[in-house]
Amino acid sequence: GAGVSQSPRYKVAKRGQDVALRCDPISGHVSLFWYQQALGQGPEFLTYFQNEAQLDKSGLPSDRFFAERPEGSVSTLKIQRTQQEDSAVYLCASSSTSGGQGTQYFGPGTRLLVL
Amino acid sequence: GENVEQHPSTLSVQEGDSAVIKCTYSDSASNYFPWYKQELGKRPQLIIDIRSNVGEKKDQRIAVTLNKTAKHFSLHITETQPEDSAVYFCAARGGSNYKLTFGKGTLLTVNP
Repeated sequence: GAGVSQSPRYKVAKRGQDVALRCDPISGHVSLFWYQQALGQGPEFLTYFQNEAQLDKSGLPSDRFFAERPEGSVSTLKIQRTQQEDSAVYLCASSSTSGGQGTQYFGPGTRLLVL
Repeated sequence: GENVEQHPSTLSVQEGDSAVIKCTYSDSASNYFPWYKQELGKRPQLIIDIRSNVGEKKDQRIAVTLNKTAKHFSLHITETQPEDSAVYFCAARGGSNYKLTFGKGTLLTVNP
């Protein structure tokens, strides 16, 4: 079946622009995660959704970052007034179990470059 | 919070040799330890995982060992092949937690 998909795959933004990154999880997966992966580093947790509820947003770096999953499937990560330090790969992962205890399947990521 | 250290950062082996990557974690409550393989520009893919009630798990050429007392776990790849070349990440997840904490990754190069 189809895996986790993300769009766009690449995004170039000028500093100060707003961007929106989309994640389509595996159909029926309850749990959805966003991670940020800086160059040469491991993914770092940003936020977690169980269905439409955002249960943890402790990893969001600043109030410029906002995520939503209004219908419990597709999720959008929005970054306002982008800064150069926001340049990274943004990975989405989904899991079939509630509570996020199951295997996490990752999407291909969106590579964001802020100039 | 959880902290995961991974070593080495780079590893180069000859085809057919074994490769070992080691990780340590700080939170004794962590109970799930997956390993992901990430090829350049691709998504992280789960290759094997282990839970804290098990000391070792094997899947063909790949094995993972866990020492809960010492809080470390290792990935073992035998009979390495050029297609094993990638970045490997270890991760840990706490008992009542859901977020994965990743190591910084190991770039494995298998030379033909």
